[in-house]
Parts: sequence; structure tokens; C-alpha cells
Amino acid sequence: GESVGLHLPTLSVQEGDNSIINCAYSNSASDYFIWYKQESGKGPQFIIDIRSNMDKRQGQRVTVLLNKTVKHLSLQIAATQPGDSAVYFCAEKGAGGTSYGKLTFGQGTILTVHP
Amino acid sequence: DTGVSQDPRHKITKRGQNVTFRCDPISEHNRLYWYRQTLGQGPEFLTYFQNEAQLEKSRLLSDRFSAERPKGSFSTLEIQRTEQGDSAMYLCASCQGGGGQPQHFGDGTRLSIL
Repeated sequence: GESVGLHLPTLSVQEGDNSIINCAYSNSASDYFIWYKQESGKGPQFIIDIRSNMDKRQGQRVTVLLNKTVKHLSLQIAATQPGDSAVYFCAEKGAGGTSYGKLTFGQGTILTVHP
Repeated sequence: DTGVSQDPRHKITKRGQNVTFRCDPISEHNRLYWYRQTLGQGPEFLTYFQNEAQLEKSRLLSDRFSAERPKGSFSTLEIQRTEQGDSAMYLCASCQGGGGQPQHFGDGTRLSIL
């Protein structure tokens, strides 16, 4: 399979633990943020998004926190399962009409969940 | 399956050859994006279509690259005179409406240049 993430940050957790994946973004003008999960050989899969006028959003087993003061985004996964093992990317969208919604992706974090 | 579909999934070709990839977005999505991803990196933006109009191109998209979306539905990405550095995963994503909607990705085309 695809060998993604030769030099990516890694996070190893035990099944059932909570996981927190962090991301620093670069553009203070970004107004929309997304977390994606990417498994080997597949494209990024949408997990959860948040707009810049919010600081927290919850989904099923996942929570995204946004701290605009320090340009920091985090993804919390509750009761982590082996199927959550993947590379996780944060992405930001710049504000303004010329951005056309294109996403700028962060470095990515490899999450490994041990049974 | 009503997700984004990309074809082929894998392409191996010799340096100097031309290659073309196809993307079929989610049917009601008017926005279509191409990205490129190399090992250990996140996807990088290449180009964007709103319906059939190509509205933005990254400086990563050299003149050997061309993309089309002739009827505002499927899109093609062609690379002419391929080089070793073109080896990457080429991803297509689509979304509906304004920029505050999540982009949904296909599983990409992995290009390997011999």
C-alpha cells in the first residue's frame, strides 16, 4: 500500500482511549477549516468542519476546537477504535473572493490505534 | 456509489509520454478542484472549476498541464511530456455552492513515471 507520512508526527493510543490531534494553521484570514482522514491508498475523507465564527463543533465521536488567537485547531476523537488508524490532515480555506474555496493542507498526523 | 470517481486508479508510463486522468464529481456539485499529493505531504491545490469555467490555476500547474471541464460535469487533467517529478497522487474534489462547503475527494490516480 501507499507509504504516506515518512516524516509526519505520530500519535499512538490504545483502543478506547481519547485522541487529540493538533494543527497550527498559517493564515489568520482563513474563515473555514476542515479535518480529513486519509487511509492508505485512498483519498482524504471528510470528518468535520468548522467556520471561523465558532470555537467548537461536535460530531459523532469527534470534536473540533478552534483557537483563532493562536491559530490552532484540534481534533478530538472519543473512544478511539482500530478503524480510526490513518493519517489526519487539517485544511484551511482563505477568505475573500479570489480564494475560490481552495484548501491549504497542514502537515498531517499519523494516528495508530492499538487493540 | 455517488461519491467522486477517478479513473484510472493507477497509471505507469515512461518519461516523455502524455497521460490523461478523468474525474467524475458528485452530480450536483458545481465546484471541482484538482490537487496533487506526494509522499508524506498533504494535497496541494492545482486548479479549480466552477461549472465549466476554469477560474484559478496554481503556479504548480506548468504549461505541460491542462485541465478541462467541458460541460460542467466531468473533468480531465492532461500532462504532456511527463517528467520524473510528475510522479504523485492526483486527487479530484468537488463541492456545491460557496466556499463554506466541505470538499469531497475521490481516491485519486497514482501516477508513476519510469
